[in-house]
Amino acid sequence: GEDVEQSLFLSVREGDSSVINCTYTDSSSTYLYWYKQEPGAGLQLLTYIFSNMDMKQDQRLTVLLNKKDKHLSLRIADTQTGDSAIYFCAEKDSGAGSYQLTFGKGTKLSVIP
Amino acid sequence: KAGVTQTPRYLIKTRGQQVTLSCSPISGHRSVSWYQQTPGQGLQFLFEYFSETQRNKGNFPGRFSGRQFSNSRSEMNVSTLELGDSALYLCASSLADRVASPLHFGNGTRLTVT
Repeated sequence: GEDVEQSLFLSVREGDSSVINCTYTDSSSTYLYWYKQEPGAGLQLLTYIFSNMDMKQDQRLTVLLNKKDKHLSLRIADTQTGDSAIYFCAEKDSGAGSYQLTFGKGTKLSVIP
Repeated sequence: KAGVTQTPRYLIKTRGQQVTLSCSPISGHRSVSWYQQTPGQGLQFLFEYFSETQRNKGNFPGRFSGRQFSNSRSEMNVSTLELGDSALYLCASSLADRVASPLHFGNGTRLTVT
């Protein structure tokens, strides 16, 4: 079945760039998503990328997709303390009418002031 | 536009009881999905409803059920609660008008079973 893997922890200094990595196994994935979860809250959609794209940029966020290696990354430029949260990578398979997402376990980003 | 609203935010129940959680999707969104989040298993898909029909179901026992109403609001029910059902239950809605439609999540209902 589908599997999404992420490293569990990342620590960066304020002002540096953060890079959160994700690998997935389902070659039929159509869309890949990044969500952010702050303590006590639900999931906030950050960005998503279609599988025929290599890169997507949205303000401080850059998503890179290497479809051959099934590798997705999220780069946060100029990381701020408010970026401290858990970041989830998720993939949606190509099944017709399927809106089921498979999530990674999440990467906890800690930003050191 | 209001986001996805889940009620209640917190629930404490006893083993063997049943519970109903409610979700109001973003206005105009016709698809509602439910996920269970636990520290051990992470985020797991429960089911998805579209136009009052369950379209997809995850690998959970029959004690977990749901429904969707004509106004797209959804409820999920867990019967005969077990300690392992303690989790954050997240509801998400989507326009579902195309495959690209992303899921937007509510803040969840934190269920504690004692």
